[in-house]
Amino acid sequence: GAVVSQHPSRVICKSGTSVKIECRSLDFQATTMFWYRQFPKQSLMLMATSNEGSKATYEQGVEKDKFLINHASLTLSTLTVTSAHPEDSSFYICSARGPGVSSYEQYFGPGTRLTVT
Amino acid sequence: GQNIDQPTEMTATEGAIVQINCTYQTSGFNGLFWYQQHAGEAPTFLSYNVLDGLEEKGRFSSFLSRSKGYSYLLLKELQMKDSASYLCAVRDRRRVIFGTGTRLQVFP
Repeated sequence: GAVVSQHPSRVICKSGTSVKIECRSLDFQATTMFWYRQFPKQSLMLMATSNEGSKATYEQGVEKDKFLINHASLTLSTLTVTSAHPEDSSFYICSARGPGVSSYEQYFGPGTRLTVT
Repeated sequence: GQNIDQPTEMTATEGAIVQINCTYQTSGFNGLFWYQQHAGEAPTFLSYNVLDGLEEKGRFSSFLSRSKGYSYLLLKELQMKDSASYLCAVRDRRRVIFGTGTRLQVFP
């Protein structure tokens, strides 16, 4: 159980376009999901916390107007990279807090590799 | 502020034991995680410590000292497949913050 999927796994887009990445919890409901970005040979950097039915909480330095997060249901959160630039090329990973009020574990999606040309 | 430090790289020999250290300073503490991440893949959960002491799980053990802001991951009987990055992460009041990660390379 506790499987998280992401779609697409890889995407290439042109500068100036927008890209939407989906994160789904397949067999549990996740009121909270997290979006991370990871550059090559670096650790995960938390971008934002996505809460179902409310606005996302962005980390310092992350532009909320550029990285739009929508958590419309208990199983789906989306990250839209707007007006993409080559420096946005990165590995984007989502995670969902496990089922249960006392759950501490985060389950990670397989990641989406974004390349902006 | 938030600060989670780990060595950047480590090397070890197949069959040996290696200890990966993590020190942290965070605003609030609600547990410490260790994750394994192979290149190009998402992290996978290894362990979670919320109380002081050693948690053993097969070849992997994790230790926590909250008063010292210190944890380590111990890997025994190293195998080639253990070559990966190991991420220390701390849960504060509302989120999980990752450390810099340690790239472990196991040689035959």
